[in-house]
Amino acid sequence: KAGVTQTPRYLIKTRGQQVTLSCSPISGHRSVSWYQQTPGQGLQFLFEYFSETQRNKGNFPGRFSGRQFSNSRSEMNVSTLELGDSALYLCASSFWGTGDTGELFFGEGSRLTVL
Amino acid sequence: ILNVEQSPQSLHVQEGDSTNFTCSFPSSNFYALHWYRWETAKSPEALFVMTLNGDEKKKGRISATLNTKEGYSYLYIKGSQPEDSATYLCASLGGSQGNLIFGKGTKLSVKP
Repeated sequence: KAGVTQTPRYLIKTRGQQVTLSCSPISGHRSVSWYQQTPGQGLQFLFEYFSETQRNKGNFPGRFSGRQFSNSRSEMNVSTLELGDSALYLCASSFWGTGDTGELFFGEGSRLTVL
Repeated sequence: ILNVEQSPQSLHVQEGDSTNFTCSFPSSNFYALHWYRWETAKSPEALFVMTLNGDEKKKGRISATLNTKEGYSYLYIKGSQPEDSATYLCASLGGSQGNLIFGKGTKLSVKP
């Protein structure tokens, strides 16, 4: 069974640019959630998509957005990049979603560096 | 504001030592507590999901307990091995929220 796949794994952007990250969940999982990790911080919840609908959203500015396709693959987009957006972005998939008691399955992350 | 606290932040032990870490979370509206192990350059992997007060779970040399009334969970590793070196994350799910709140993790280093 293939795991959660995130692309790209590494990328470098400059301030003001935008970036799109992709996450392919485990086959059959309908929920994809996104997290940001910066040095010294725990995983910060960005948003969750379930069956193509945003179900929950964390406390991030509107520059952070996402979507989910009919095959459950999800993308997140960050516009007008700032230096503080440099982080590891993790996605996780699950069958019932983050509000359930099932475990999350994580990808290896996309490491974004903003110069 | 919901905070999940983990202690210690880091821990260095010798191979064969047993160790434990703590995860504290708000006890009101508790729904579930997750533990994940995150090795460097890999993805976090679930260890346990616990929901009931007094719950104890075990996977090999790793076990966890849960006290939902006082809002804490302990993770124990018996006879630590170098391959146990990783960051251990806990995350709490409260009834009023739809997402997990993660602690900052405990980084364990096991010296051979």
